[in-house]
Order: sequence, then structure tokens, then C-alpha cells
Amino acid sequence: RKEVEQDPGPFNVPEGATVAFNCTYSNSASQSFFWYRQDCRKEPKLLMSVYSSGNEDGRFTAQLNRASQYISLLIRDSKLSDSATYLCVVKDRTNDYKLSFGAGTTVTVRA
Amino acid sequence: NAGVTQTPKFQVLKTGQSMTLQCAQDMNHEYMSWYRQDPGMGLRLIHYSVGAGITDQGEVPNGYNVSRSTTEDFPLRLLSAAPSQTSVYFCASSSPGFYGYTFGSGTRLTVV
Repeated sequence: RKEVEQDPGPFNVPEGATVAFNCTYSNSASQSFFWYRQDCRKEPKLLMSVYSSGNEDGRFTAQLNRASQYISLLIRDSKLSDSATYLCVVKDRTNDYKLSFGAGTTVTVRA
Repeated sequence: NAGVTQTPKFQVLKTGQSMTLQCAQDMNHEYMSWYRQDPGMGLRLIHYSVGAGITDQGEVPNGYNVSRSTTEDFPLRLLSAAPSQTSVYFCASSSPGFYGYTFGSGTRLTVV
């Protein structure tokens, strides 16, 4: 079983729509959670950390459910520039330097 | 501020050849890592370092060597290239207790 699993999509949504997707993780010792954004043929870039109480960054909202071991990302009022692959990333409690990556969820926003 | 610099950006190797992928960071980060990214799979950790002189194996270390003689540099060596090593390679760096890794722009390697 993969340590971090994501629905690969693609999620194809019109501009202005809301899109949401989840990521599940298998290691209950996981401590920190992140969403990274990766544009086509580019390097991953940190989008936002995910806090236990949930958090927002502009049009992006991240949630963590430790009991069910999943995190979610919601994008409101989608823009064409939101088209990308979103990577779910988990850090283990005991290994501060090792990240586990999901394969990514592809979002395409159409005009 | 360059961040993490990887060279080369593209490389084609013949089976059996060796080469070194270069990675340098100018942020004085202690942690550095090498990942490979293949279609349909998450980034997989090849090797990592928590400081100069300290390296360890990640999830997929076979066929690769690393060394960390300085804080800034973390080269990845392919000993004898195989087609299975065709991939995109990313170097990343961070500090302890971080809230994000900084990635280089990647090296696209094809082994024929």
C-alpha cells in the first residue's frame, strides 16, 4: 500500500467553480502535512501547510482529519492559473528530513 | 538569490555510462535530498543528507551514490546508467523544523 494516495483526476472545471480533492495517508505517526503545486515540467513548490484546525490561504482551504487519516484541499473561484498538479506531502514525526509524496491530483481550469 | 541550482537540465546517456548530477544551494540549508519522479508515481527519495559529511539511503538508492563534503553541494552519481534510471531528478533543500522544501528545477535524464 502506498504511504500517500491521491485521486489522480483530472478534475476539469470551469473558471469560477469550486473544486476539492482529498489525499489519504497510511502512517498514523505522520506529523506534518503540506500541499505542493507542480506546473507541467517544473519543480514542486510549496502551496501551503495543513494545520490540525484547518487553514485558509486566499482561495485555498486545507483540512486535516487525523481520525480518518486524510487531508483535503479546496479551491474556490478557480482561475485559469490554478491549472496544475497538486501534490500531497506528509512528514513523519520521527524523521524531520524525509517527505512522502502522493502522485498528485491534476486540475485543469477551462475558460 | 539562486536558491537550489541543478545542472544539467537535460542529459542523454548510453547504458553503462556514468555521470554526476550537480546540486548546489546558497541558503545554508542543512538538509538536502535527491528525488526521482516517474509518471504516475510520487517523488521517491533516493538519498538524503542532514549535514556536511552525513548521508543516508532513501527509498530507491540502488545504482546511485552521493557525498556531501560541503553544506552547499550535494552531487548525485549514477554509477552505470540503466534504462530504468530514465526519470526526472529533483534536488531539494531545507532546514530543521522547516515549513517547506525548496526544489531545484530538475534534470531530465534519458538512458538509451
